[in-house]
Parts: sequence; C-alpha cells; structure tokens
Amino acid sequence: ETGVTQTPRHLVMGMTNKKSLKCEQHLGHNAMYWYKQSAKKPLELMFVYNFKEQTENNSVPSRFSPECPNSSHLFLHLHTLQPEDSALYLCASSQLGTSGTDTQYFGPGTRLTVL
Amino acid sequence: QKEVEQNSGPLSVPEGAIASLNCTYSDRGSQSFFWYRQYSGKSPELIMSIYSNGDKEDGRFTAQLNKASQYVSLLIRDSQPSDSATYLCAVNGGNNRKLIWGLGTSLAVNP
Repeated sequence: ETGVTQTPRHLVMGMTNKKSLKCEQHLGHNAMYWYKQSAKKPLELMFVYNFKEQTENNSVPSRFSPECPNSSHLFLHLHTLQPEDSALYLCASSQLGTSGTDTQYFGPGTRLTVL
Repeated sequence: QKEVEQNSGPLSVPEGAIASLNCTYSDRGSQSFFWYRQYSGKSPELIMSIYSNGDKEDGRFTAQLNKASQYVSLLIRDSQPSDSATYLCAVNGGNNRKLIWGLGTSLAVNP
C-alpha cells in the first residue's frame, strides 16, 4: 500500500447505526486530518491530530468521534447520524515541520449516505 | 473570517489553449499556497505549491503568487480534455497550519 488509504470507500447507514471509517497513511507523516466535503461548500476541516494528539476540533457534533491510536492510523466513529451528514469524508496526512509549509496528501475518501 | 475566493465557473477552454484559474485570499499573513485538482467523485490531488512571490513552473502548469495583491493563479498550458476537473485553491496562514479552502473552479477542456 502506498500513500493514504481509506476504508470503506462507500457506506450507507441508517440514523441509528454505528459505524467507523478507517484511514491509514504510509508516508511516515506525523499529522492526520479528517475533512468533510459537501456539495457547494468548501472543504470543512473536522479534526487534526499532531503526533497522535488532537489539536483541532472544529465544533464538530459529538456524533462524530475521532480516534488516533498512532501516527499512521486514524478512525472516525459515527453514531446516530443525520441525513445532512451525508457527504464525502476525506482523510489527509502531512509532515509538520518548522517552516509551516507542510503539504497535505489525501486518501480516496469515503462516500457516506445516511438514510 | 479568513476566506479564499475562487470563481466557481465553469471555465470552458478549447483543447490546446491556456486555462487561467484565479484565487484571492483575505489573510495577509498567509505563507503557503496550494493548487489541488479534483476529478468528479475523487479526492483532491496536489498539483502545485508555491511560497514566494513570482512564478513557479512544473511541466504544463505555472503557479503565480502576488502577496501584495493577495492573489494566486494557476495557468495550464496546452490544455487537454484530461485536465477537465475542479481546481481547488488552498491557503495556509500563520502558525496554526490550518488550510483555508476555496470552493473550487470547474474547468472544462473541449476537444
């Protein structure tokens, strides 16, 4: 595997289900990100993990719960979602350095549909 | 509110022409600037990054940065139908390393 991988690629769930999205980066990076991409909206940053520590939580509803067990793996646990949560969920990673010019690389995304 | 503005398009150019995509940003402290390409149903893919004023060329792509005027542009020379995609501008400002994203410009290259 190379780059950033995400599973599953597609997910359909009911509002009462619990599911998890998985992301793995094979780039040796030290930061990982969850983004939400909805139609007609810019990419929305949800969570940032830097060296496994959460450094950003952009007022995301508690029905989204991130987990970062190590610098290569990132999960997004989902429960009691709403239909408006249907979107493309993207994972990204970057190598944070002192220059502040770290570039983010994206996984293929998970297309989530909430019924 | 820090913002990144892009013309949503669609921008339509004939094959072989130069496509010019523009992006303006509000945060004067911004330091890093990125162009990503996103095909329909796919994830964003990095095309270019630029950090200093002036031009940066990579193959058919040229990024231009003007910090005084707070804009960054992407030129695509000899446009191909395979360049048809949405082009996202992202700007990283200050010390928090948070990328601010534009809505993207849809480009259609017609054979």
